[in-house]
Amino acid sequence: AIQMTQSPSSLSASLGDRVTITCRASQGIRNDLSWYQQKPGKAPKLLIYAASSLQSGVPSRFSGSGSGTDFTLTISSLQPEDFATYYCLQDYNYPWTFGQGTKVDIK
Amino acid sequence: QLQLQESGPGLVKPSETLSLTCIVSGGSISSKSYYWVWIRQPPGKGLEWIGTVHYSGITYYNPSLKSRITVSADTSKNQFSLKVSSVTAADTAVYYCARTELYCSGGSCYYYYGMDVWGQGTTVTVSS
Repeated sequence: AIQMTQSPSSLSASLGDRVTITCRASQGIRNDLSWYQQKPGKAPKLLIYAASSLQSGVPSRFSGSGSGTDFTLTISSLQPEDFATYYCLQDYNYPWTFGQGTKVDIK
Repeated sequence: QLQLQESGPGLVKPSETLSLTCIVSGGSISSKSYYWVWIRQPPGKGLEWIGTVHYSGITYYNPSLKSRITVSADTSKNQFSLKVSSVTAADTAVYYCARTELYCSGGSCYYYYGMDVWGQGTTVTVSS
């Protein structure tokens, strides 16, 4: 199975900060990667699919990049509603695998 | 608007079979491009993909669970299901169902659009 290594596991940031989360695949996965945001007690929410395509309705401050093995989720200016845990998922082949998550909290 | 709702018992005894259903409303499960997914999240931990089913009966399973899981689709009821046999405390988790779409064109398939619709999740505890 492809392993997804997500970093950092947690970070503290202030409102307005630029935040970057990375995901590294143990083998090349083209651009078959999506990003999800999860708030406590809620189901995950799709932010980005195919590495860089913004899901409809998601604010443009979220962006994704990367291809092959290295991927990045960027929040350009952190807003109060962005404090959450973020996960990457490779859907290049089965079994699909998630990163371990990055918790973003308030500095 | 498509909605998914998980249903099933919240408490299952060890060694028994966990059975969950995801009821699909506001859309049809029998769409060629859609795939239906089960994911779970143990308390305080990350997300784990369990399995995926297509209305045609195509299934994909997590090999770490494969010998114990069955995922199926029921087009007559517009729902899909998950069964996990021989459960232990390690199967205690919030279970989510979700939808994804596979982009295909000209006879070739290229990528998934991500899991864009999720159920609210249902908590299953394995305990005697």
